[in-house]
Amino acid sequence: QKEVEQNSGPLSVPEGAIASLNCTYSDRGSQSFFWYRQYSGKSPELIMSIYSNGDKEDGRFTAQLNKASQYVSLLIRDSQPSDSATYLCAVKGTGNQFYFGTGTSLTVIP
Amino acid sequence: DTAVSQTPKYLVTQMGNDKSIKCEQNLGHDTMYWYKQDSKKFLKIMFSYNNKELIINETVPNRFSPKSPDKAHLNLHINSLELGDSAVYFCASSQNTGTGRMDYGYTFGSGTRLTVV
Repeated sequence: QKEVEQNSGPLSVPEGAIASLNCTYSDRGSQSFFWYRQYSGKSPELIMSIYSNGDKEDGRFTAQLNKASQYVSLLIRDSQPSDSATYLCAVKGTGNQFYFGTGTSLTVIP
Repeated sequence: DTAVSQTPKYLVTQMGNDKSIKCEQNLGHDTMYWYKQDSKKFLKIMFSYNNKELIINETVPNRFSPKSPDKAHLNLHINSLELGDSAVYFCASSQNTGTGRMDYGYTFGSGTRLTVV
């Protein structure tokens, strides 16, 4: 079993819709969770971090964490074509190691 | 100013050659990393290093070796390059704050696209 799993997609949503990206992790003791965005040919950039159960909002982005279900998600409201990218879920495990998912490719259709 | 910088951005070389990729961070972070990203976009940890500890992913061939002259630099040296080494290599850094405190994730360099022919 992989430490972090994501649906690879591709996920396509129309402009203005809500994009929902999901991630599950295996290390129950994990405390820190991150979402990275990676444009084609570019490096990953951190867009959200979350540490406590519940929702965390930052502009059009909302991260949701449920430690009991070992589940973290990212919602993008009012999706824009510029949001088209690969979104990587990352989890910091109990061994101080970061684990990345394989990423979900998102396409926002104008 | 660039926070994590890597050079070169592109590297094309023949099989069997030895090459190095350089990485520098000016964030004052205490830990640096090398990741390999394959054609399927999977980011795989190769090494993590701080002043105290080098952690090597056991799946990494010993042809790969990290070299850290100081806290702000972590270079990657690769011996006897093989076709399968072709990938994008990312350097990253982070400030580890210890168990139970917030972590701020990684800052990545721009990547080095290595092509072995």
